[in-house]
Amino acid sequence: NAGVTQTPKFRILKIGQSMTLQCTQDMNHNYMYWYRQDPGMGLKLIYYSVGAGITDKGEVPNGYNVSRSTTEDFPLRLELAAPSQTSVYFCASSPLPPGTGVGYGYTFGSGTRLTVV
Amino acid sequence: KNEVEQSPQNLTAQEGEFITINCSYSVGISALHWLQQHPGGGIVSLFMLSSGKKKHGRLIATINIQEKHSSLHITASHPRDSAVYICAVRPEMYSGGGADGLTFGKGTHLIIQP
Repeated sequence: NAGVTQTPKFRILKIGQSMTLQCTQDMNHNYMYWYRQDPGMGLKLIYYSVGAGITDKGEVPNGYNVSRSTTEDFPLRLELAAPSQTSVYFCASSPLPPGTGVGYGYTFGSGTRLTVV
Repeated sequence: KNEVEQSPQNLTAQEGEFITINCSYSVGISALHWLQQHPGGGIVSLFMLSSGKKKHGRLIATINIQEKHSSLHITASHPRDSAVYICAVRPEMYSGGGADGLTFGKGTHLIIQP
């Protein structure tokens, strides 16, 4: 089925370890996003991309890095994992610039639940 | 600072009841989104509104720009509607380039009992 695929679904990391959360979409969307969702809080934007080769910081980028070498893939890298990065991570994509069109929506991945111990 | 407040935080209702979830925000906006997060964690985009009203099946979303308020209604509610419903807004004067500029509410946890 078309959509956004995230892997892994669950992961436990030790403090100081690194990992990459994978995100792939097959809808040819230019806009891709990484969010984190903490318990009892709203989603927060970590990084976003407006197309291959172009990325920028969101609201909470510290401790993360991204790359966008292709339209399809937007991996999120955690370097030196910390307990504060325990969260649920969502990747999303959209076809149009935010707020510029009616009827467009975001397509979200199923999420990655990360625990740092 | 843009604040998004949802009410109620938690709602339990019986199957068949008419459900209303409210979203209030503090700044002028260009768009408001309603999202549904399933018990398994997946998020689905339900509506994007900039004015008026939209309907999809048993779901209706309305927005009052002057009042800075939106409502999500569910008619003839069913246990499969049980989920967290999230409101998110994009400020009218947002100038952050390609970032979505969205501020998300904390969500309304809805349980529909058979």
